[in-house]
Amino acid sequence: NAGVTQTPKFRVLKTGQSMTLLCAQDMNHEYMYWYRQDPGMGLRLIHYSVGEGTTAKGEVPDGYNVSRLKKQNFLLGLESAAPSQTSVYFCASSYPQEGTEAFFGQGTRLTVV
Amino acid sequence: AQTVTQSQPEMSVQEAETVTLSCTYDTSESDYYLFWYKQPPSRQMILVIRQEAYKQQNATENRFSVNFQKAAKSFSLKISDSQLGDAAMYFCAYRSLNYGGSQGNLIFGKGTKLSVKP
Repeated sequence: NAGVTQTPKFRVLKTGQSMTLLCAQDMNHEYMYWYRQDPGMGLRLIHYSVGEGTTAKGEVPDGYNVSRLKKQNFLLGLESAAPSQTSVYFCASSYPQEGTEAFFGQGTRLTVV
Repeated sequence: AQTVTQSQPEMSVQEAETVTLSCTYDTSESDYYLFWYKQPPSRQMILVIRQEAYKQQNATENRFSVNFQKAAKSFSLKISDSQLGDAAMYFCAYRSLNYGGSQGNLIFGKGTKLSVKP
């Protein structure tokens, strides 16, 4: 059971570089999310998607873009990385039915120098 | 907007003892879901327990149970017979019933780091 898979697991970027984080889920979930986790801040929602072709902003969307061209994939892009984007990024997915849990990927540790 | 507060950044418990992690939340909704997630050093987020707000009975999963006080907007997690493997970061999370928009997203507290002493 693969569940939610994030690629890559670790990455170091220089300021100004761009990159894309890939999230893939094999549970046929409608909803997908990108969170960032910073020390003492918990998990904060960056962007989310309620279905293929749809995306919406979360709590901290600035500096990020997303795309959901296929139901199973949710991409998070950083066009011009900044040191403030150093964080651990989590992708999650869930069914739309109320009360269902969200399943998380293993996280991506990104360092911007 | 809903908020979730975990007032204990760190907690410690002796192996085999019981520990309670606190969580309070703020909402104007009457129906919602609450969750506790565990994050061990591996970083993986693992669901520990969930509670439906419309159920008065407290949820229980083996050694894990909650004390849900809806009027007080409190949702504490009790871990009985603590084990070394329980050492982790624990997050309390809130989820609205409304899936038509952002209200369906999980809102997390800042977490409580639990240490278990042998």
